[in-house]
Amino acid sequence: AQSVTQLGSHVSVSEGALVLLRCNYSSSVPPYLFWYVQYPNQGLQLLLKYTSAATLVKGINGFEAEFKKSETSFHLTKPSAHMSDAAEYFCAVSNSRGGSEKLVFGKGTKLTVNP
Amino acid sequence: DTGVSQDPRHKITKRGQNVTFRCDPISEHNRLYWYRQTLGQGPEFLTYFQNEAQLEKSRLLSDRFSAERPKGSFSTLEIQRTEQGDSAMYLCASSRGEETQYFGPGTRLLVL
Repeated sequence: AQSVTQLGSHVSVSEGALVLLRCNYSSSVPPYLFWYVQYPNQGLQLLLKYTSAATLVKGINGFEAEFKKSETSFHLTKPSAHMSDAAEYFCAVSNSRGGSEKLVFGKGTKLTVNP
Repeated sequence: DTGVSQDPRHKITKRGQNVTFRCDPISEHNRLYWYRQTLGQGPEFLTYFQNEAQLEKSRLLSDRFSAERPKGSFSTLEIQRTEQGDSAMYLCASSRGEETQYFGPGTRLLVL
């Protein structure tokens, strides 16, 4: 069975500081990995996805993530936080390229950005 | 493209009542998914359709839950004899083939 673990349910950073949200996965098959963002009272929006083409994946809003097989990790980073980045972030794994079968989500990390 | 839409956005019901939610996917998306998200948790997969065929159901989908997609377009999720534990956000997503899943805004259910 596939699963993801997000370390830290809450992360707080200052505006302009580095954002690092951690995600570790478990999968018996080559995984496809995703990061989604959820703003209050809204659905989920895809930030980026890893589909085995390149280990460093760039997404929207300046976010990127690096797939590290040896560490079974797919951490999300952004060099400089903006107030508008405050939201909840979910890491997810799927056994299909586009996530077209079910996505298995982590519990989420709530990001707070302080002025 | 208009996005995935869900109706209603909010629903308050009394324990024991039946409720039905609707999801309209992005046009021409042949796959449609239902997830449930409880407070402080990530979304959990419930079921998904390819066209009108229901291809997978989670063990979370008890006998009180039923989902349909009769013409391969919109879908409904019905919960019979609601319980307080059914209180959650119900999310719908759609995709075209093996492409990315796009999520709707969700229906928030509160069972009193």
